[in-house]
Amino acid sequence: ELKVEQNPLFLSMQEGKNYTIYCNYSTTSDRLYWYRQDPGKSLESLFVLLSNGAVKQEGRLMASLDTKARLSTLHITAAVHDLSATYFCAVDFTGNQFYFGTGTSLTVIP
Amino acid sequence: EAQVTQNPRYLITVTGKKLTVTCSQNMNHEYMSWYRQDPGLGLRQIYYSMNVEVTDKGDVPEGYKVSRKEKRNFPLILESPSPNQTSLYFCASSLFPGAEAFFGQGTRLTVV
Repeated sequence: ELKVEQNPLFLSMQEGKNYTIYCNYSTTSDRLYWYRQDPGKSLESLFVLLSNGAVKQEGRLMASLDTKARLSTLHITAAVHDLSATYFCAVDFTGNQFYFGTGTSLTVIP
Repeated sequence: EAQVTQNPRYLITVTGKKLTVTCSQNMNHEYMSWYRQDPGLGLRQIYYSMNVEVTDKGDVPEGYKVSRKEKRNFPLILESPSPNQTSLYFCASSLFPGAEAFFGQGTRLTVV
């Protein structure tokens, strides 16, 4: 079964703290994507990871991919309120079909 | 401005009344797809298209049809909507399947 699991589903964190969101997937893939969705809005692409060991950083967010462990992480450094959103990972298992995780709802508390 | 445009944004309809949700992109992207978003389930892919006249089923295609007669347009058709198709729908496009995807603003559909 082709499956993508994220944890945690809900995350409440204080400003200034660090935390990691995990994305596990069920079978081999070297294409993984992270998206952000603000309440009532569309999805915005954050990172495209296309090989084992890929690491990308944008501001306070850093994403990495370990294809052997079938795991991607989204690390948040020194969280700020503006990062409050729902974060999704998605995996391309077949070369043209995408499977999404259920999302992690992040709330950053002042 | 590069964008993916969906219409309508909101739609309430009755069971069995055919409807079409339009999707158009202005980036000359080859790959387009439709998703539905339901609470607790994330996004699930309904159909995708690799290019003009090339479409294929995603994870949850039952009850939906699509067409790709022009590169820029990828309409989603519900021939006989049912209440279990009440959902938030997103269209997305990318230059090719592995590239960064751009999403439309979403269509909130309610079937009563």
